[in-house]
Parts: sequence; structure tokens; C-alpha cells
Amino acid sequence: QKEVEQDPGPLSVPEGAIVSLNCTYSNSAFQYFMWYRQYSRKGPELLMYTYSSGNKEDGRFTAQVDKSSKYISLFIRDSQPSDSATYLCAMSSPPGAGSYQLTFGKGTKLSVIP
Amino acid sequence: KAGVTQTPRYLIKTRGQQVTLSCSPISGHRSVSWYQQTPGQGLQFLFEYFSETQRNKGNFPGRFSGRQFSNSRSEMNVSTLELGDSALYLCASRGGDNSPLHFGNGTRLTVT
Repeated sequence: QKEVEQDPGPLSVPEGAIVSLNCTYSNSAFQYFMWYRQYSRKGPELLMYTYSSGNKEDGRFTAQVDKSSKYISLFIRDSQPSDSATYLCAMSSPPGAGSYQLTFGKGTKLSVIP
Repeated sequence: KAGVTQTPRYLIKTRGQQVTLSCSPISGHRSVSWYQQTPGQGLQFLFEYFSETQRNKGNFPGRFSGRQFSNSRSEMNVSTLELGDSALYLCASRGGDNSPLHFGNGTRLTVT
């Protein structure tokens, strides 16, 4: 079983739809959770960063973490064609002795159709 | 504030050669990490440097190495290149222990 599972899609939605992206994980040590967006030929861009269970909202984006179920989600409201990209979930345990590494999902490719 | 800068953007090398990739972190960031991204394996951790010291290393062969300079700039080196080393190599930096990683746009390495 992989440490982080993410449906690769592709996911295609009409403009204005609500998008739900999800990841599950198996490592209970993971305490920090991130969502990155990656456009073609670009590096991952940080969208959301949280280290507690519950919801965190930033504009049209809401990140949700359920540590008891080992499940995280990213919701995109009023999706736009510019949201078309690959979305990567990432997580880590607290830095131990200062060391820090992320474990990523494989990414979900999203297309928002005008 | 300028983001993470990686050079070069694209590289084509032949099997058996070696390659050096360069990364300049965000100003003030002292931690630099490297990741390899491939379609099959996704993003995988290579190593992390802080104050010129390697703090952690991923599960990659010894052909992959890196270093960090006193100005926090970092380089990674891959020796005796193999076809399977073709990938996007991403550098990331962070500003503190509880801060997230910020990535550059990567160096696309093609080994022929």
C-alpha cells in the first residue's frame, strides 16, 4: 500500500462547477498537509498549507483534513478554465532534528471546460 | 521577492555522462530540498540541505549527490547517467521549520 493515494483522473468539469479532489494516507505520523497546483512545464505552486484537522479557506479554495480517517480534500468553488492543471497533495511528519521531506500523491489532472 | 530559480531549464545528456544542476533559493531561506519528478513515480525526495549540511537523503543511489554553499545556493550532481534518470528535477526552499516548501520550475533532464 502506497503511503499516499490520489486518483490521477483525468477530471473534466464545466466552468463554474465545484471541484472535489481527495487523497488518503496510511502514515499516522503525517501532521502537515499541503496542496500544490502544477501547470504544464512549471514547478508545483503552493495553494494550501495546514497542520490541523478541519477546514481552511482561501478565496475559492477550501482544504479539509480528517486525521481520524486519514483523508484530505481540496474543494474549488466556481471553477475557472485557469484552474486547469495537475493538483498534488503532499504531507509530512513534523520536522525531526530539523529534517523535513514531503510525500506526494501522484496528482490529479483537472480540466475546466469553458 | 524572487522565487526559487533553477538553471538550466533544459538539458540533454548522453548515457554515462555526468550533470550538475543549480538552484538559488528564495532570499533568506536556508533550507534547500531536491525532488525528482517522473510520470511513473511522481515526485520523490532526493535530499535536503541546511547551512551547508545534508540533513536527509531519499532512497536514491550514490550517483546522486548535492551540496549547498554558504549563500544557501545549492547544486545537485548526477554521475554516470542512465536512461532512467530522465526526469524533471525540482528544487525547493523554505524559510523555517514550520514553513512549507516553495518550488522552482525545475530542470528537465533528458538522457539519450
